[in-house]
Amino acid sequence: DIQMTQSPSSLSASVGDRVTITCRASQSISSWLAWYQQKPGKAPKLLIFRSSTLESGVPSRFSGSGSGTEFTLTISSLQPDDFATYYCQQYDGYSRTFGQGTKVDIK
Amino acid sequence: EVQLVESGGGLVQPGGSLRVSCAASGFTFRSYTMNWVRQAPGKGLEWVSYIGSTGTIKYYADSVKGRFSISRDNAKNSLYLQMNSLRDEDTAVYYCTRVAYGDYHNDYWGQGALVTVSS
Repeated sequence: DIQMTQSPSSLSASVGDRVTITCRASQSISSWLAWYQQKPGKAPKLLIFRSSTLESGVPSRFSGSGSGTEFTLTISSLQPDDFATYYCQQYDGYSRTFGQGTKVDIK
Repeated sequence: EVQLVESGGGLVQPGGSLRVSCAASGFTFRSYTMNWVRQAPGKGLEWVSYIGSTGTIKYYADSVKGRFSISRDNAKNSLYLQMNSLRDEDTAVYYCTRVAYGDYHNDYWGQGALVTVSS
């Protein structure tokens, strides 16, 4: 099975900061990667799919990049609504593995 | 509006069985593949199972293979997860998700159903 490793597992940042989260796959997954945001007690929400395509309605401060085994989620200017946990997910092959998550909290 | 509403969660003893359901509305259910994803308390997301639009193709995570069974009733716009031989580590919120048409990511999620396995 393909393993997904996210880093960091948590980070503290201030409003206005640029934030970068990395996701590495144990083998090449082309661009078959999505990013989700989850707030406490809520279902995850799709942010980005196919590595870099922004889901409709998601603010443009979110962006994704990468292919093969290394991927990045960037928040260009962190807003109060962005404090949450972020997960990557690969969907190459029959399994749909998630990364372990990155919690973004207020510095 | 797309809606996915899970039901059937609850408390079950280790070794027991439970079926969670997901009622879909606001889209043509029979045209979409679906997933179950779970989240143990305080932990991350774990993909559990996938079913194709006709119900013929099914995949399972290794952690549930042989114990869980995914199914769907397209006439009733419903998705199911039959869970047998339940273990403490199956305790989680179970989410029903829709897979984007013509793609592979989860574009809609239900609110989740809590399954607690405990004696």
